[in-house]
Amino acid sequence: DMKVTQMPRYLIKRMGENVLLECGQDMSHETMYWYRQDPGLGLQLIYISYDVDSNSEGDIPKGYRVSRKKREHFSLILDSAKTNQTSVYFCASSFGRSYAEQFFGPGTRLTVL
Amino acid sequence: GDSVTQTEGLVTVTEGLPVKLNCTYQTTYLTIAFFWYVQYLNEAPQVLLKSSTDNKRTEHQGFHATLHKSSSSFHLQKSSAQLSDSALYYCALSDPNTNKVVFGTGTRLQVLP
Repeated sequence: DMKVTQMPRYLIKRMGENVLLECGQDMSHETMYWYRQDPGLGLQLIYISYDVDSNSEGDIPKGYRVSRKKREHFSLILDSAKTNQTSVYFCASSFGRSYAEQFFGPGTRLTVL
Repeated sequence: GDSVTQTEGLVTVTEGLPVKLNCTYQTTYLTIAFFWYVQYLNEAPQVLLKSSTDNKRTEHQGFHATLHKSSSSFHLQKSSAQLSDSALYYCALSDPNTNKVVFGTGTRLQVLP
């Protein structure tokens, strides 16, 4: 069963706390992505990972970092979270070809107070 | 850089009537993949259609789209909208060099009885 999972699904943090969002996939996809979704702005790419330890900044990487130590697992880290990082975060994966569709996880709703 | 434009934030249509969601793009690449993703309420985005062939109609779940490179467009259409089509629709293109996907800001389709 092809699946992308995200944990946790909901998270409330205080400003200045560290945040770890986790994503897993069981399809052996080379490429994984982290997006944030905000009303009126659509899906904005934070980071892309082409494989283990091969990560590249997306359009809005400031305030975020990522880690990919296994092909099936991709983490998003917010060091000292800010209130403007309140958003819904989606992880996605795809085969390593530009024509391949992305499979999205269910999303994590993060609130930073 | 590449960009995707969806001019309508909200499209409202009566059930049974045709619907068209507009998508135009800018890119310097000659060969590129285009996608329509649909996101139902409280769910993850999922691919609806994809195409990379000029002037070829692509169909899925009653929706169709044709890539027209001459007008830089990939509009989504359906001849008879259903209540279950109410969702957020994203047009997107995939950069063949980086595998990064550029999303439009999305169009919310509301189908009324």
